[in-house]
Formats: sequence, structure tokens, C-alpha cells
Amino acid sequence: AQSVTQLGSHVSVSEGALVLLRCNYSSSVPPYLFWYVQYPNQGLQLLLKYTSAATLVKGINGFEAEFKKSETSFHLTKPSAHMSDAAEYFCAVAGDTGTASKLTFGTGTRLQVTL
Amino acid sequence: GAVVSQHPSWVICKSGTSVKIECRSLDFQATTMFWYRQFPKQSLMLMATSNEGSKATYEQGVEKDKFLINHASLTLSTLTVTSAHPEDSSFYICSARWGQAIGAFFGQGTRLTVV
Repeated sequence: AQSVTQLGSHVSVSEGALVLLRCNYSSSVPPYLFWYVQYPNQGLQLLLKYTSAATLVKGINGFEAEFKKSETSFHLTKPSAHMSDAAEYFCAVAGDTGTASKLTFGTGTRLQVTL
Repeated sequence: GAVVSQHPSWVICKSGTSVKIECRSLDFQATTMFWYRQFPKQSLMLMATSNEGSKATYEQGVEKDKFLINHASLTLSTLTVTSAHPEDSSFYICSARWGQAIGAFFGQGTRLTVV
């Protein structure tokens, strides 16, 4: 069965600092991987997705993630944090169940950005 | 990106009543829709998958008679919580995909409170 582990339920960075949110996956087939952002009482917005093309994936709002098969990781990064980046971030995996849209989510990481 | 709209955004109902939540794909035909449930400060848990014109497939542990899902058209799926109880209070989110697309687009969610 596919699964995702997000290390760190809460990450705090200063404005302008590097953002690193960790995600490790488990899948019996080559996975599709996603990062979503959720603001309070809102749905999920897709930041980026990996679909077996380039291993370095660039997304919206300056975020990017690198797929590392050897490490089974798909960490999310942003060079310089902005106050508006404060939100909940979810890593998700798909593909193991025969459909590329049935997502299994990690437990989420709350990003706090301080002045 | 594609737009998925949920209605209502929030609803309060009395215990024992039924509540219907709509999920619409506004600019594409959603061959598959997914319904998730999210408890406070937790991740999204898939409840069921629905394909247009066929019965929904429920995840293990989800009561199909309590959470009725209908996907009668390519742009609309509904989730009806029957005989709601306070423990059904949660954030419900739908997502939709078209064809064999990788990933899915999410609605903004519905906050259900049962009193």
C-alpha cells in the first residue's frame, strides 16, 4: 500500500529564510507525488506534482521539490520564506491503487513564518 | 487550473437531520470524484470514490448507508450525510479529475457542524 510520511508536524522559519518541508513516500509502483497547501477553512491548492518527468519540479509561489528515488523522498523547498507562506502543507502519493488521482495524504506540516 | 466548487461552505444542522453537500466541476467534465473527510488538525482521509453513472466505492470503515454519494452527471457529485450526529461534524472536501489525468483538483471544502 502507498503511504507518505511527513517529518515534523510544525516548522517555524524566519521571513526570508529557507523553507524545507520533508516528505518520504512508500509505493510499490513508480509513484506520482504531490504537494498541496491549505489555508484555514479552505480546500487544497496544488503547489506542484511529480509525474516521472524531470526529477526537479517547480511549482507555484516559488516552491520546488526534488524527487529522489534512492531516498524515497520528495522534499519541498523555497529559498526565501514570505509571511503569506504560513499555512498547512500536505504531501500526497498516488499510483499504487491503479489510479493516478486517488491520493494518500501525509499528516501535514504547519509552516509558521516569523518576522 | 480547473475549478471545483463545493456548496455550501459551511452548514449547521440539528442532530438526526440529513445534510447534502454538492461538488461541481465548473469548467471540465469530472469522470471521477473523490470525497475526503478532515478532522481538526489532521490529514485528509479518503471516504469514497465515485465515477459518473455508477455506484460509489467506499473505503474500509466508511458507512455507505450513512454517507450517500451520488454522481449523476459529469459535473456534479453530492454527498448526503444521513441522520447526522455530532461526531459527524468535520470538514468535508471533494476533488475531481477528468479522464486519465494525474492528480485532481479540490473544492474549497464544507464545514459541517451537527448540534
